[in-house]
Amino acid sequence: TQLLEQSPQFLSIQEGENLTVYCNSSSVFSSLQWYRQEPGEGPVLLVTVVTGGEVKKLKRLTFQFGDARKDSSLHITAAQPGDTGLYLCAGAGRGGSNYKLTFGKGTLLTVNP
Amino acid sequence: DAGVIQSPRHEVTEMGQEVTLRCKPISGHDYLFWYRQTMMRGLELLIYFNNNVPIDDSGMPEDRFSAKMPNASFSTLKIQPSEPRDSAVYFCASSSGTGDPFFGQGTRLTVV
Repeated sequence: TQLLEQSPQFLSIQEGENLTVYCNSSSVFSSLQWYRQEPGEGPVLLVTVVTGGEVKKLKRLTFQFGDARKDSSLHITAAQPGDTGLYLCAGAGRGGSNYKLTFGKGTLLTVNP
Repeated sequence: DAGVIQSPRHEVTEMGQEVTLRCKPISGHDYLFWYRQTMMRGLELLIYFNNNVPIDDSGMPEDRFSAKMPNASFSTLKIQPSEPRDSAVYFCASSSGTGDPFFGQGTRLTVV
């Protein structure tokens, strides 16, 4: 059983479209992080959300942490081919340690020109 | 800084052989993490160190896996003997205190 479920698993869209990907769990996390991973590379941290209900914006990317700190969403406005990649969410705080990250399997996004 | 450096980038080995993966964390970072990524299970934390001391190895799959950090600038993950099901991409990451983790480019291990 995956503690963090990400949906959809795969998403293929045209340049300029908007999209939202989701990260859901039955567990409460002290914080949640979003990463983007490109082929042959390690994940790169995009954002960390800590407070329930928190919304953070990073240019065309909007991240939201659920009120109960169990789920999160990532919305991309006017997607570009450079947004292509594997988007991973990771929760911290299980087992009492903020250093133990639990990752979802990711959403593989392809933005076609 | 050059970032987290892992070697080798690719490793192909025969079942039963010993495999050693290497990691150089970012200078000044006091936390080091080893992860494994597969299609089936995603990215899983195997073990992490603080100030060269292993803190939590509950993610290490079995006794065939061992990790060491002899000093602040070097860590190894060893698999002995290796099995085909160990085939995966292994990532090392480092961070400073509660700071953001930085991942290396990974080592793609194939056990045939």
